[in-house]
Amino acid sequence: NAGVTQTPKFQVLKTGQSMTLQCAQDMNHEYMSWYRQDPGMGLRLIHYSVGAGITDQGEVPNGYNVSRSTTEDFPLRLLSAAPSQTSVYFCASENRAGGYTFGSGTRLTVV
Amino acid sequence: DAKTTQPPSMDCAEGRAANLPCNHSTISGNEYVYWYRQIHSQGPQYIIHGLKNNETNEMASLIITEDRKSSTLILPHATLRDTAVYYCIVRVPAYSGAGSYQLTFGKGTKLSVIP
Repeated sequence: NAGVTQTPKFQVLKTGQSMTLQCAQDMNHEYMSWYRQDPGMGLRLIHYSVGAGITDQGEVPNGYNVSRSTTEDFPLRLLSAAPSQTSVYFCASENRAGGYTFGSGTRLTVV
Repeated sequence: DAKTTQPPSMDCAEGRAANLPCNHSTISGNEYVYWYRQIHSQGPQYIIHGLKNNETNEMASLIITEDRKSSTLILPHATLRDTAVYYCIVRVPAYSGAGSYQLTFGKGTKLSVIP
């Protein structure tokens, strides 16, 4: 049981490049979400999904797109990377009891 | 959204109980209190959650006051591995309100367990 798997673990992008952060869970959880964490700060919600085919915006959605074609996968796409998007990104899924399982994070640097 | 207030940092001697307080005075009647912790830069780890009754699991105990305006997370015998940032969170309905919820993280309490 792998839980929530995020790839890549580290990434350096140039300003203007696009990329996709991958997130997969094998627990058959309906609810998945993406957070970003900046230094010394708590996590802020970017986008979330309550099930396949359904996504919605969180607190800081600008510059990011998501899709949810399957229950297992919830990729986060950076359309045109900016230095302000340098952060650690966490994906999470929620079980029916309300507990969240987080991935180990993707550390993104935009130069 | 119900917001939480936590002290920025606390120390605890190894082997002693760590009591982490949290104020959530604007919590609504159906909103749960969740506790997570984050060790170094790892993904947050779920600890415990509750609505109005005290809860206990293998990791910790959660004491919620009768008026639900505050709660305390108790680590009964703190070890060095418990050094982490602890987040007290009130789970609120997601923006879409479609029966889903979201967690809003503050800055948490940095707990340092001292040998």
